[in-house]
Amino acid sequence: DAGVTQSPTHLIKTRGQQVTLRCSPKSGHDTVSWYQQALGQGPQFIFQYYEEEERQRGNFPDRFSGHQFPNYSSELNVNALLLGDSALYLCASSWGGPHSTDTQYFGPGTRLTVL
Amino acid sequence: QQQVKQSPQSLIVQKGGISIINCAYENTAFDYFPWYQQFPGKGPALLIAIRPDVSEKKEGRFTISFNKSAKQFSLHIMDSQPGDSATYFCAGGGTSYGKLTFGQGTILTVHP
Repeated sequence: DAGVTQSPTHLIKTRGQQVTLRCSPKSGHDTVSWYQQALGQGPQFIFQYYEEEERQRGNFPDRFSGHQFPNYSSELNVNALLLGDSALYLCASSWGGPHSTDTQYFGPGTRLTVL
Repeated sequence: QQQVKQSPQSLIVQKGGISIINCAYENTAFDYFPWYQQFPGKGPALLIAIRPDVSEKKEGRFTISFNKSAKQFSLHIMDSQPGDSATYFCAGGGTSYGKLTFGQGTILTVHP
């Protein structure tokens, strides 16, 4: 049973560019949450997707957007990259949508470096 | 109101000792409190979680103690091992939120 997978593992971009990160949830899960983890910090919630819609959003600008596909996989898009967007981006999957306290399982993350 | 404060920032323990990490939360709507373990270059992995209807939960060497009135909870690692050296995060979440609000993390080092 595959866990949460993310691609790519590492990514280097320059300021102003756009990036797309991908996530496949754990088998049987239908909810995907994205988190940003800056170096030495705890993960910060970006948004959550359920039934192909954004259900909850953290305190992140509109430059951060996402999508969920019918197979429950998800993408995180970041436009107009800033140096401060450099971080580990984590995808977490769970079952049951935004009002479920089902365990969130995290993927290994994508390390984004903005130069 | 959604902060989770974690202490200490770092902790050094001898092999066989007890590691204790504390967290305090503000949001009384939280009803789910997980602890995650993260190794360098890896994503967080769920260690143990508790809901506020119990004051303690034990799984192997790991125990969560929960004090609802004080809005505090803690992780105790008994018989700490060098392999336990990692960063530990507490978090709060719940049916009103779905998302998890994480503490700042504690870097645990267990010396052999």
